[in-house]
Formats: sequence, C-alpha cells, structure tokens
Amino acid sequence: DQQVKQNSPSLSVQEGRISILNCDYTNSMFDYFLWYKKYPAEGPTFLISISSIKDKNEDGRFTVFLNKSAKHLSLHIVPSQPGDSAVYFCAALTQGGSEKLVFGKGTKLTVNP
Amino acid sequence: ETGVTQTPRHLVMGMTNKKSLKCEQHLGHNAMYWYKQSAKKPLELMFVYNFKEQTENNSVPSRFSPECPNSSHLFLHLHTLQPEDSALYLCASSRTFLATNEKLFFGSGTQLSVL
Repeated sequence: DQQVKQNSPSLSVQEGRISILNCDYTNSMFDYFLWYKKYPAEGPTFLISISSIKDKNEDGRFTVFLNKSAKHLSLHIVPSQPGDSAVYFCAALTQGGSEKLVFGKGTKLTVNP
Repeated sequence: ETGVTQTPRHLVMGMTNKKSLKCEQHLGHNAMYWYKQSAKKPLELMFVYNFKEQTENNSVPSRFSPECPNSSHLFLHLHTLQPEDSALYLCASSRTFLATNEKLFFGSGTQLSVL
C-alpha cells in the first residue's frame, strides 16, 4: 500500500505561469517532507523540505505548503521556467523513527516556452 | 566532479551473468544507500550502510549482494538476476543515517537491463 501518493503522473504548464504539484500521504506519523527533482539521465536532487511544525516553506520560486489535517502537501513553482521541466518526487519520513524516506511515484512537469 | 559517481551508466546482462555496480562519493559522508527505481513505481530503498555497517536490508533477494569496503565506496554485486530486476539503480549518500534532516545526494544511476 502506497504511503506517499502523487496522483498526477504528468503536468504541463505554460512558461511564466504557476505549476502546482500535489502529494498525499496516509501515514499520520510522517512529520518531515521533502521534494526532489530529477532530470533525465541524472539522479534526483534535493529541492525543498518542510517540517510538520510549519505549514509553509519558501525558497525563491519554490514554495511548499503542508496541510496536516488533509495529509496533503503541494509544491508551487512561480513563475515556471522551461528549465523546471523534470520529474518531481515527494518524499516523507518520521523523525526519530526508522528514518526511511518513503517516496511517491513522481510527477513529470513540462513547462512549455 | 559530481559528489556521487556511479558506474557503469548502462548495463545489459543475461540471467546467468555476474556483474557489479560501483558507487563512489566525494562528499565525506558516512551513510550510503542503494535505491531501485522501476518503471511507474516509487523509489524503493534496498540497502543502507552507516559507517560501513549495513543497517538496513529491505527484504531484498539474495541475488543482490551489497558491499561497503569504506565510507566512500559502495558496490552492488548482481548474480542470476531476473528480467523483472531491470530498473534504474541509484546510489545515494548522506552525512549520517540517523540525522533527521539530512538530505540525500544521489548519483546518476545505472540503467540495468536483464535479458
């Protein structure tokens, strides 16, 4: 049973507009969440994270929102750029627990010029 | 040079072959990981080494055999694999395994095809 779900396999957005990537989780013990970005032929790279004590974390064009009651987080990219085209993975873990990161299947974002 | 280097980038092997994947990290990290990424599946953790000691074996079949001779090098020895083992195998490292907020640094992966 998947504990971290990214229900949209792909998303296409126009350059300059907002990209919103969604992630749902089922394990209420998860309290730390990360987003990784992966370009073709490269390994995933860390993008941004958020602890469950916060509901928002911002880093430049990237903002992650966490809704604990809904067990939902989202990554907003504003404005989207063609270089943002990649696969985005949501991941979660329980701090102080087994420390295993649980990943979603990923969402492929395409930003069209 | 990138922080985590994996070789080879691509590997095609028959079911009776024996091959090894190699990973090297230049970040001074103490924890190293093997992940498997199959098509349309999440990244799956296979093995974790922390300070050269294996701390996790995520119910991985014995046809996959990891080796960590030191904190900078990690191998995955493969033998008698099955076609369903075809996947992208990713190595990663972090400063330590149990530090909560540690980011993982991934290599580019080895795309493995088992014929």
